[in-house]
Amino acid sequence: EAGVAQSPRYKIIEKRQSVAFWCNPISGHATLYWYQQILGQGPKLLIQFQNNGVVDDSQLPKDRFSAERLKGVDSTLKIQPAKLEDSAVYLCASSLIHNEQFFGPGTRLTVL
Amino acid sequence: AQSVAQPEDQVNVAEGNPLTVKCTYSVSGNPYLFWYVQYPNRGLQFLLKYITGDNLVKGSYGFEAEFNKSQTSFHLKKPSALVSDSALYFCAVASGGYNKLIFGAGTRLAVHP
Repeated sequence: EAGVAQSPRYKIIEKRQSVAFWCNPISGHATLYWYQQILGQGPKLLIQFQNNGVVDDSQLPKDRFSAERLKGVDSTLKIQPAKLEDSAVYLCASSLIHNEQFFGPGTRLTVL
Repeated sequence: AQSVAQPEDQVNVAEGNPLTVKCTYSVSGNPYLFWYVQYPNRGLQFLLKYITGDNLVKGSYGFEAEFNKSQTSFHLKKPSALVSDSALYFCAVASGGYNKLIFGAGTRLAVHP
């Protein structure tokens, strides 16, 4: 069974530029999560989708971050404009409803 | 508010010796507890979980964890460490369900030959 796919794996941008990350969850997983993992810290949930609806986006900085999961399968996370403090690894995870989460390899973002 | 503490930034152990990685939590309601492992440039891999039932849970790669309600702890253990166990380990908790996970800061495990 294929795991969670993410692209790109690495991205370097200048501050104030925009960037987008893509995630394809495990087939059949209704729930999709985006996490931000800053160096030296544990992952922090940004947003959780169930199918194409948002369950929790309380920690998403909505002035610059947006995410969508239009068809209830793959998802994109966008940052516009990026700040230096957005440098982190962005992890996507998916799960069956009421089950443990499986993580993708992450996208390492560097903002210069 | 939910929280997870991993009091050790790093744990060093000799190959073949038992290992323990500590985790304590604070949550309202029944805790759902998880351990994940992260290898360099890889995503987190699920190791094991405690939802209910037996306080000792067994997981992947010979790891186990003991849930202690009175001490609000969920320490990760392995009877005999391998060099290949060297990685970053995260404890996580959710309150009463599988939804929002709160992760600890992680503990780096170094197993020396």
